[in-house]
Amino acid sequence: AAGVIQSPRHLIKEKRETATLKCYPIPRHDTVYWYQQGPGQDPQFLISFYEKMQSDKGSIPDRFSAQQFSDYHSELNMSSLELGDSALYFCATGRRDANSGNTIYFGEGSWLTVV
Amino acid sequence: AQSVAQPEDQVNVAEGNPLTVKCTYSVSGNPYLFWYVQYPNRGLQFLLKYITGDNLVKGSYGFEAEFNKSQTSFHLKKPSALVSDSALYFCAVRDGGSSGDKLTFGTGTRLAVRP
Repeated sequence: AAGVIQSPRHLIKEKRETATLKCYPIPRHDTVYWYQQGPGQDPQFLISFYEKMQSDKGSIPDRFSAQQFSDYHSELNMSSLELGDSALYFCATGRRDANSGNTIYFGEGSWLTVV
Repeated sequence: AQSVAQPEDQVNVAEGNPLTVKCTYSVSGNPYLFWYVQYPNRGLQFLLKYITGDNLVKGSYGFEAEFNKSQTSFHLKKPSALVSDSALYFCAVRDGGSSGDKLTFGTGTRLAVRP
C-alpha cells in the first residue's frame, strides 16, 4: 500500500539558510500534519491543513511557513535556520472522518541538520 | 487542552512474558486515543486506536489496549512479548470535542524485551 512520502530524507544546512521539506500524502487523504521531533523527544505538532486550508496551528516558529497545494501535497518552508532547528521532521496525513477518529499515518521523516 | 502522560520512560520485560505500557490522558470532550510505535530512525507506525464502542481494542502485531474512562487510561498490552517488539511507544490523544484535529503525544516509553 502507498505510504506518506517525504523528501528529502536528509539535508544539511548552514545557519541562516533556508530549507524546504515536501510531503506527498497517501491517496485520498485530505489532511496533512507537520511534526518536529528533537533527539529523545516526543513529536511536537507544528501545523496542519485540511482541504488546502490551515486547520490547526501549534508551536511553529514565525520563521517557518507551510502550505497544502491543489494536489494535496504539502511543503514546509524554514528560513533563517538556527542550530536548534536540527531535528526529525515528520509529515502525517489522514482522511477526515468523524467516525474513524481521523487516524493519521506518518512518513519516514526528513532529518534536518543545521551546522 | 488535551494531554497525555506516559509515566514510565522504560519498560523491561523478558521474551514470552506479558507486557503493559501505561498511558493516561486528559481531554475536555470525548477522547480519541491512539498508540504508535517508532523504531530507530524511522517514522511512527500506527498500532491501534479507540474511538467508541468496545473498551478493548485489538491492533497490529498482537497488541491490544483497554480504554478505562473512570481511570482516564489507555494502557497498551501484549500477552507474550517478542524481542522484535523492542522499540519506542507513543500514546496520543485527540479531543473529539475540540475544533482542532491535531494529535498530542506522550513523551514515549521505551520497551526493551530481553531474550
